[in-house]
Amino acid sequence: GEDVEQSLFLSVREGDSSVINCTYTDSSSTYLYWYKQEPGAGLQLLTYIFSNMDMKQDQRLTVLLNKKDKHLSLRIADTQTGDSAIYFCAERGSGSARQLTFGSGTQLTVLP
Amino acid sequence: SQTIHQWPATLVQPVGSPLSLECTVEGTSNPNLYWYRQAAGRGLQLLFYSVGIGQISSEVPQNLSASRPQDRQFILSSKKLLLSDSGFYLCAWSLLGGSTDTQYFGPGTRLTVL
Repeated sequence: GEDVEQSLFLSVREGDSSVINCTYTDSSSTYLYWYKQEPGAGLQLLTYIFSNMDMKQDQRLTVLLNKKDKHLSLRIADTQTGDSAIYFCAERGSGSARQLTFGSGTQLTVLP
Repeated sequence: SQTIHQWPATLVQPVGSPLSLECTVEGTSNPNLYWYRQAAGRGLQLLFYSVGIGQISSEVPQNLSASRPQDRQFILSSKKLLLSDSGFYLCAWSLLGGSTDTQYFGPGTRLTVL
């Protein structure tokens, strides 16, 4: 079955780069997503990448996809305190409703 | 533009009481709709999804049920709440037939069962 794994915690200093990693098992995944959840709030879509792409950049965010290793990463440049949140990786499944399978989320803490 | 609403934002209910959480979407038609529960451990569990009015699929057996009485309305219910029903409930929508199947989430409802 589909499985998405992430490390639970990451701490970085303000101004440094953050790299959040994710691995998935479904080789038929066509889209992979990154969501951000701030405390007490819903999930906010940050970006997504199509499986035939290796990289996608959007301002401070860079997504890298290694399809061979089924590895996805999100790099946040110049990390700010406002970036502190839980980051979820997700892949699109093959079910009839095109369900997403989410990882358990990585808690990013930005230290001053 | 599309927006998704959930209410109430927070709810405290005694064990054995009924539950009704509502989710509505504006600005789109025929969306796929989803109910997730996020327990304290953070992971998201898909509870129900719907591809149309009256069409509900359940992912896990549980004490909850869902209904879709209108195209853009999705309701999560229970006849008798259990302590284990506590959690953060998230509604999401995606565009039916959309190429990316991106899901967009509501603000969530925090449910505490005492």
